[in-house]
Amino acid sequence: DAMVIQNPRYQVTQFGKPVTLSCSQTLNHNVMYWYQQKSSQAPKLLFHYYDKDFNNEADTPDNFQSRRPNTSFCFLDIRSPGLGDAAMYLCATSRGRGSYEQYFGPGTRLTVT
Amino acid sequence: QQPVQSPQAVILREGEDAVINCSSSKALYSVHWYRQKHGEAPVFLMILLKGGEQKGHDKISASFNEKKQQSSLYLTASQLSYSGTYFCGTEVSGGYQKVTFGIGTKLQVIP
Repeated sequence: DAMVIQNPRYQVTQFGKPVTLSCSQTLNHNVMYWYQQKSSQAPKLLFHYYDKDFNNEADTPDNFQSRRPNTSFCFLDIRSPGLGDAAMYLCATSRGRGSYEQYFGPGTRLTVT
Repeated sequence: QQPVQSPQAVILREGEDAVINCSSSKALYSVHWYRQKHGEAPVFLMILLKGGEQKGHDKISASFNEKKQQSSLYLTASQLSYSGTYFCGTEVSGGYQKVTFGIGTKLQVIP
């Protein structure tokens, strides 16, 4: 089945130790998003790619970076995780921006110790 | 600009109806509705485009009042499986095609 896959599902990292989360899709969608979701809060968009075009949200900390080496894969790098970065990280894809359905992956739960 | 959802939480008995509202201070081009069960990813329900359309499937439907910059999600004859947090996402007219999600409405259906 076509889907959005995120690995790992659970990640524990130490304060300040770089961590990479991955997302892959078999939908061949143009757009890939990264959201941060903290407990009982709305998903907050960090950035997205439209094909190879990277779009950063103005309030996304510099600590967060992303790579999209090809259509299928997208990575979220957190260079120096702080305790406040503990959250669920959701990857989503869509055929286009705006008025298109977003397909979400199952998420990666990040714990920072 | 984050949309405002109301109510923040609601408890229903099976078979009861519910309405969840989503409003924005800006003119909207589209409204999206998603449901997220605890510990799972959000799942798409529907998108409504400006033009005041209504949509629905099964017992879940929604309306979009473009003039009032509001959308409502209607859950009819609720089932246990409807439990979860419902998010609306709004796309502002003339904006850069970004969807911003509201804080969510937690819905619990009890037997």
